Amino acid sequence: GAVVSQHPSWVICKSGTSVKIECRSLDFQATTMFWYRQFPKQSLMLMATSNEGSKATYEQGVEKDKFLINHASLTLSTLTVTSAHPEDSSFYICSADDGAEAFFGQGTRLTVV
Amino acid sequence: ELKVEQNPLFLSMQEGKNYTIYCNYSTTSDRLYWYRQDPGKSLESLFVLLSNGAVKQEGRLMASLDTKARLSTLHITAAVHDLSATYFCAVDVNRDDKIIFGKGTRLHILP
Repeated sequence: GAVVSQHPSWVICKSGTSVKIECRSLDFQATTMFWYRQFPKQSLMLMATSNEGSKATYEQGVEKDKFLINHASLTLSTLTVTSAHPEDSSFYICSADDGAEAFFGQGTRLTVV
Repeated sequence: ELKVEQNPLFLSMQEGKNYTIYCNYSTTSDRLYWYRQDPGKSLESLFVLLSNGAVKQEGRLMASLDTKARLSTLHITAAVHDLSATYFCAVDVNRDDKIIFGKGTRLHILP
């Protein structure tokens, strides 16, 4: 099946700093990608829809100024967690659809200390 | 708003037993997914179900879809310890590719 690659797999950052997470579709183009967040022992919650060449669409309750999404090409979306705080520590997962089904990245475990 | 309800949320069972996980969803959808997640890992795609009456099987797992009842089931046959994981069903929202997840079923199979 298609491959979605996410980088980094894990990151530890200091409170107040910003962290960028990349999501790439390796063998297909994706005009739309999705960002999810998963807290321990919970399900995946959709944060936002990343649209190539236009603004992202955020789910209710997700701060767009805190979670900056850029989808500059058909194979790359980035999520930047700005001014990270310990409560932002979570598992972030991206997905992209190749027209037949959705594929998920490996996830990024963010720990803010 | 699409809602996806999964039950049970936690299941502990003996090896060799059969059991079923249920997934109900609230509005029409084009695709229903079943995923497996191991601790600390991302999602592993198990099944994609597209049409009413679809049934797919892989090893000891079998998934089915009833679009009229808006119900999917994941059946485990003769469970083995290696199947211990969290299983999620997920439904897309009318082909705009946004996927909404159920809360997951934490399956613990006792050796």
